Amino acid sequence: DVKVTQSSRYLVKRTGEKVFLECVQDMDHENMFWYRQDPGLGLRLIYFSYDVKMKEKGDIPEGYSVSREKKERFSLILESASTNQTSMYLCASSPLVRASGSLIDREQFFGPGTRLTVL
Amino acid sequence: AQKVTQAQTEISVVEKEDVTLDCVYETRDTTYYLFWYKQPPSGELVFLIRRNSFDEQNEISGRYSWNFQKSTSSFNFTITASQVVDSAVYFCALSEADSWGKLQFGAGTQVVVTP
Repeated sequence: DVKVTQSSRYLVKRTGEKVFLECVQDMDHENMFWYRQDPGLGLRLIYFSYDVKMKEKGDIPEGYSVSREKKERFSLILESASTNQTSMYLCASSPLVRASGSLIDREQFFGPGTRLTVL
Repeated sequence: AQKVTQAQTEISVVEKEDVTLDCVYETRDTTYYLFWYKQPPSGELVFLIRRNSFDEQNEISGRYSWNFQKSTSSFNFTITASQVVDSAVYFCALSEADSWGKLQFGAGTQVVVTP
């Protein structure tokens, strides 16, 4: 079974702190994603990575950065946490599949989420 | 612009009733993928189904069924004979061709099944 783990289920930080959220997957997936989930908004993509050291901005990258030094690990960094970053953060991974030169999108596997509260 | 619309915020049913969740999507691509995920109270999203744009066949898996209609850009999900364990938030999502699998989610529909 695919396993995606996140370093914490619950986290409480203060405004201005630097926050690291860690995500590890054990299925050798190329793609990894960070989302935030807010009521009424569904999940919104913050950043994603399709290879080691590669990263791409998602829909809401402002205030966040990411790091992918190893294939299995994808970190989300809040350089200076603010109260509007209080949210549920979800990490996901998926394999990179190609057929006839085109990418085939496969399902993403999600971690349990980290509920971050910034005071 | 919202690319995936789940207009129903919450649906409440009594056990054994059927429930249909609507999903309407918007894309200009001819190749795309549609997904449904379930998020139970524990919080972890569980994959339910993936459908590509060239496969309009409806699908049934146990008490779950999906109706994909390109003509109306809809990918609706029906739970037959609902059970309390079906209580969850259900998300519909879209990925467009060559987008590295990035998903665009709808806002989700909360399903509450009472005994």
